Amino acid sequence: KQEVTQIPAALSVPEGENLVLNCSFTDSAIYNLQWFRQDPGKGLTSLLLIQSSQREQTSGRLNASLDKSSGRSTLYIAASQPGDSATYLCAVRVISGGYNKLIFGAGTRLAVHP
Amino acid sequence: IAGITQAPTSQILAAGRRMTLRCTQDMRHNAMYWYRQDLGLGLRLIHYSNTAGTTGKGEVPDGYSVSRANTDDFPLTLASAVPSQTSVYFCASSDGALTEAFFGQGTRLTVV
Repeated sequence: KQEVTQIPAALSVPEGENLVLNCSFTDSAIYNLQWFRQDPGKGLTSLLLIQSSQREQTSGRLNASLDKSSGRSTLYIAASQPGDSATYLCAVRVISGGYNKLIFGAGTRLAVHP
Repeated sequence: IAGITQAPTSQILAAGRRMTLRCTQDMRHNAMYWYRQDLGLGLRLIHYSNTAGTTGKGEVPDGYSVSRANTDDFPLTLASAVPSQTSVYFCASSDGALTEAFFGQGTRLTVV
């Protein structure tokens, strides 16, 4: 059974720091991995999608890497800002029981203070 | 703005009542999904639809039903609500298994 784990569960950093959020999954048979951001009481905003054949994706200050064989992904945030404060979720796309679905980690709650 | 619209935003519902959560997308995505998000349990798939006219059961389908009469709409119905269905419900869509998934803003449902 696929399980997705995110470490750390919570992180508090001063503004300007570069930081790394970690995501691990137990089964390497994934189609892709997607990073989301969720603000309190809001929906999920897609940040980056990495296909299983890709190693990394970049968008602005965000860079996500994928090592499928070892079951790991990292989200790197450069020069963090207070506006980056949110919960970050990673999810892997798998085929299970005849349908495809996203399996989510529990998230990393990030606080960036001025 | 293109995307997914869910309604209502929030609802308090008496146990035993019937409720339909609405979801509409304007991206012409083939696949649509309903998830529920609960503290400590994360996001879990309730039902899915790979294309208009087809639906399937996800991880936690009991007590819920869906229909997919057209590409854009994917309503979720609680036939007889129970307190354990108190949750935040998210509708999502994608153009297939290999493409990016997009989520709506959620419906916060409280069953009392």
